[in-house]
Amino acid sequence: QPVLTQPPSSSASPGESARLTCTLPSDINVGSYNIYWYQQKPGSPPRYLLYYYSDSDKGQGSGVPSRFSGSKDASANTGILLISGLQSEDEADYYCMIWPSNAGVFGGGTKLTVL
Amino acid sequence: EVQLVESGGGLVQPGRSLRLSCAASGFTFDDYAMHWVRQAPGKGLEWVSGISWNSGSIGYADSVKGRFTISRDNAKNSLYLQMNSLRAEDMALYYCAKGDGGYYGSGPFDPWGQGTLVTVSS
Repeated sequence: QPVLTQPPSSSASPGESARLTCTLPSDINVGSYNIYWYQQKPGSPPRYLLYYYSDSDKGQGSGVPSRFSGSKDASANTGILLISGLQSEDEADYYCMIWPSNAGVFGGGTKLTVL
Repeated sequence: EVQLVESGGGLVQPGRSLRLSCAASGFTFDDYAMHWVRQAPGKGLEWVSGISWNSGSIGYADSVKGRFTISRDNAKNSLYLQMNSLRAEDMALYYCAKGDGGYYGSGPFDPWGQGTLVTVSS
């Protein structure tokens, strides 16, 4: 099964934006997949945030603020989670996921610290 | 409100078996695919298995294929995971999660249960 690469950690200050990346292996085209994003806080199960395929095909999880958004960088074969107006409560682990070949595949996760 | 409550975790010796259950409520269970996702202590998420609404389509991660069996009982609103030949690397918190639509191989996991802990040790 393929491996989705996420930076282990990222940090930003309150009010700033955080850009979390999820890089697909070269044999999987990011343009062909929905990228799903999850947030997990310590001691809690993951929470579904959103999916992004294109600007015309995307969706937000129930109750997820609009300051969470998705995009893609095709040149880097990467999915992106953008969190604007960072708040202390956004400090968490973030995971991306895709569905290649009828098997779910997660990235290794990024720990976001809000300084 | 959708609720997913896992049970059946515990301490088991390597090579032995364990059966996990997930009781679902708050939605029409037999309309949706269901999944098991696990998380080893201090590690990331790993999709384990998924099953379509009518059990007609099932998938497994390579790491558990041939050892784990997913099933569901729509009359009881319940999901199961039979885990055989358990290994140390199977030790994890096992989450039950609701799929999106009837087919298991697409869509997000939303929501998730609180998980049940499986410890594999002699």
